[in-house]
Amino acid sequence: GENVEQHPSTLSVQEGDSAVIKCTYSDSASNYFPWYKQELGKRPQLIIDIRSNVGEKKDQRIAVTLNKTAKHFSLHITETQPEDSAVYFCAATGPSGGYNKLIFGAGTRLAVHP
Amino acid sequence: DVKVTQSSRYLVKRTGEKVFLECVQDMDHENMFWYRQDPGLGLRLIYFSYDVKMKEKGDIPEGYSVSREKKERFSLILESASTNQTSMYLCASSPSVRGIEQYFGPGTRLTVT
Repeated sequence: GENVEQHPSTLSVQEGDSAVIKCTYSDSASNYFPWYKQELGKRPQLIIDIRSNVGEKKDQRIAVTLNKTAKHFSLHITETQPEDSAVYFCAATGPSGGYNKLIFGAGTRLAVHP
Repeated sequence: DVKVTQSSRYLVKRTGEKVFLECVQDMDHENMFWYRQDPGLGLRLIYFSYDVKMKEKGDIPEGYSVSREKKERFSLILESASTNQTSMYLCASSPSVRGIEQYFGPGTRLTVT
């Protein structure tokens, strides 16, 4: 079935460094790719998303890139800060026709050290 | 501001008990979802509902059922709780449009002993 693979599972960086998380998806009909951030003990919250008609989107220190041909997309965080420490989930829209089903990656635990 | 609430933050139940987890959203969303979150496995869809009394199985429906009698409320039922259902359960809702944000509740940490 459809799946989303996410790497790495853990990522440790120094404050000020950049962090990159990569995801691949299997359903070529997927057209929406959100990224969620889940801080410890809190609910997942959308931080950025991209649709299949664009290749890159930026919002301050975060950016997402999409390569439809290769079926992968990435989250880039620049100038990381300790408050960026969290679990990040990528997702892709599920089976064609689908009621806004999302298929999530397994998550990346990012630790930013001061 | 979208609000999704879940009936309990923490729940401890015994093996074999029938367990009800409730989710309420206040944004008149058509779609509601139940996920299970386990370390290293991400968010796995258990069931979702696209309208009142309408439901579809997700990826891991075994051992679970759902009920949606009113648009704002979506219940997850564990018919006979087992220890392998110990997990974090997250509810989400969204409008009935493909490719749009899902809004999550705070989660229920269920422990089955």
